[in-house]
Amino acid sequence: GAVVSQHPSWVICKSGTSVKIECRSLDFQATTMFWYRQFPKQSLMLMATSNEGSKATYEQGVEKDKFLINHASLTLSTLTVTSAHPEDSSFYICSATSGASREQFFGPGTRLTVL
Amino acid sequence: SQKIEQNSEALNIQEGKTATLTCNYTNYSPAYLQWYRQDPGRGPVFLLLIRENEKEKRKERLKVTFDTTLKQSLFHITASQPADSATYLCALGDYGGSQGNLIFGKGTKLSVKP
Repeated sequence: GAVVSQHPSWVICKSGTSVKIECRSLDFQATTMFWYRQFPKQSLMLMATSNEGSKATYEQGVEKDKFLINHASLTLSTLTVTSAHPEDSSFYICSATSGASREQFFGPGTRLTVL
Repeated sequence: SQKIEQNSEALNIQEGKTATLTCNYTNYSPAYLQWYRQDPGRGPVFLLLIRENEKEKRKERLKVTFDTTLKQSLFHITASQPADSATYLCALGDYGGSQGNLIFGKGTKLSVKP
């Protein structure tokens, strides 16, 4: 089956630093990748949608200059949280789709803790 | 604004019984609805997709119904097992906008006791 990996699985950083999270589709080409954020006992909230080779589309209320998304290839998308603050601490999950399928394949998530 | 509700935050049942989870939505006309399973500290795993013109979908011990008049989907797990314990998320999607763009509910945490 389609597998999506994320790296790192968890990260702790100091306030003000930047953190990069990678999302890879291991055995398929992902035409579209999504980035979600999930707070405890809350639903997944879509942050942005990215298509390979084009700029990401951000959801309302998500700062594009703070959450930089790069989708340079059909198998890799990165999310960089710039100047992270404690309120950015959350579970970040990516997903990917391929072709016309509506099924999203999710990565295992990255737990970010900003001190 | 669009709203999606899953009937309860938690559901406890005995092994062997049928678990029924509810997903209701308002201010939206989804083209399809999906159910996912999420284990603690993990990403969601796709289970089933049902389209607006389908009433029911089955996969092994899983059954999903979709009533666009009631704006409701029911998710059933028959002959439940402790291994079915997880949080189940429903998600709504349409064919407009970004491909595969989904709106997720908060999920229902199912606990199956032996």
